[in-house]
Amino acid sequence: NAGVTQTPKFRVLKTGQSMTLLCAQDMNHEYMYWYRQDPGMGLRLIHYSVGEGTTAKGEVPDGYNVSRLKKQNFLLGLESAAPSQTSVYFCASSYGLAGGLTYEQYFGPGTRLTVT
Amino acid sequence: KQEVTQIPAALSVPEGENLVLNCSFTDSAIYNLQWFRQDPGKGLTSLLLIQSSQREQTSGRLNASLDKSSGRSTLYIAASQPGDSATYLCAVKRDDNYGQNFVFGPGTRLSVLP
Repeated sequence: NAGVTQTPKFRVLKTGQSMTLLCAQDMNHEYMYWYRQDPGMGLRLIHYSVGEGTTAKGEVPDGYNVSRLKKQNFLLGLESAAPSQTSVYFCASSYGLAGGLTYEQYFGPGTRLTVT
Repeated sequence: KQEVTQIPAALSVPEGENLVLNCSFTDSAIYNLQWFRQDPGKGLTSLLLIQSSQREQTSGRLNASLDKSSGRSTLYIAASQPGDSATYLCAVKRDDNYGQNFVFGPGTRLSVLP
């Protein structure tokens, strides 16, 4: 099993450009999450999904959109990138109700995004 | 609002020492607490998960305890090795079955010297 994978690993954008980050998991997890990690701020939840076709806002959702068209994939979109979105983005997944309610999270390797 | 703190922010120990990392949270109504390890430039690796009804979990040289009433968890690492050098983070999940409000601590950066 590959676990949780993220594409791309690195990206540099100019202000105003758009991009999509892809997260894929092969563990049949119901729940998927997008976080950003910034120095001094720790990990913060951007958006999450509790199943195919569902999405919900986390702590810092502004400027981001997400989609979960397939159970194994969770996409994070930046429509108009800003320098404040320079960060390392992590995707995670977990079992939910069907898996015994443990919610143990498994993380991808991260995407380092720089917006100039 | 749930806040999670970790003390110390950084720790340097000689190889072989036993050590304790601390995690504190302000709201005791948690569902579970998870300890992670993060190597530089890498993602997070799950180490131990403690459900709110449990007092401790063990995996190899690692032992995590949970005291909900006092809002504390500790991660005990026995016989530390240079390969244990990493940042250790704790995260708590809100006590409900639907909201996915995980709150992470800032981490403790551990260096184990050969």
